[in-house]
Amino acid sequence: AQKVTQAQTEISVVEKEDVTLDCVYETRDTTYYLFWYKQPPSGELVFLIRRNSFDEQNEISGRYSWNFQKSTSSFNFTITASQVVDSAVYFCALSRPNSGYSTLTFGKGTMLLVSP
Amino acid sequence: EAQVTQNPRYLITVTGKKLTVTCSQNMNHEYMSWYRQDPGLGLRQIYYSMNVEVTDKGDVPEGYKVSRKEKRNFPLILESPSPNQTSLYFCASSFSGQGGARAFFGQGTRLTVV
Repeated sequence: AQKVTQAQTEISVVEKEDVTLDCVYETRDTTYYLFWYKQPPSGELVFLIRRNSFDEQNEISGRYSWNFQKSTSSFNFTITASQVVDSAVYFCALSRPNSGYSTLTFGKGTMLLVSP
Repeated sequence: EAQVTQNPRYLITVTGKKLTVTCSQNMNHEYMSWYRQDPGLGLRQIYYSMNVEVTDKGDVPEGYKVSRKEKRNFPLILESPSPNQTSLYFCASSFSGQGGARAFFGQGTRLTVV
């Protein structure tokens, strides 16, 4: 069975602080994809990143960076110099093999509150 | 514009009154799925479909039905809604291939059953 654990339910930071959101996953598959989505207060799901299981390179996109470590089954997300607009719920997700890896198992989400 | 369209966006209904939430995609994706989001539980998969006339249960299928008569549409049917189905629902359309896999989500439907 698959599982995605986001142990941090809620994080509060002050603007310009760096913050890391943790994601630990469990799967028996050797091929899989990991995702991060952002859900702002307006409610839609915004795709942030996809990483496949064969690519352990870390990725940076502006203030966002992701650290994928297969050895610890973790896919952590760091926001550098956080801003108020980063306030949202962030979901980590793992692809399901029975749908061509295209449907997802989600973690419970981490609510990030960035105050001015 | 590539998109997944859900309707309605908001719905308040009474217990036992059948309802349908529609979902349509214009990307010719084979896979479509429904999720519900509840506070503290994240998103959980209700049903998914691999292609026309092929559907399967997700993690929380009880109380829901789906159909896939056309590739672009995947409606979610609640034949006798109950208050515990009050939730935020998302439809997704997805692909899997050489370019990887990715799901595209609709805007969500907030359902309240009283």
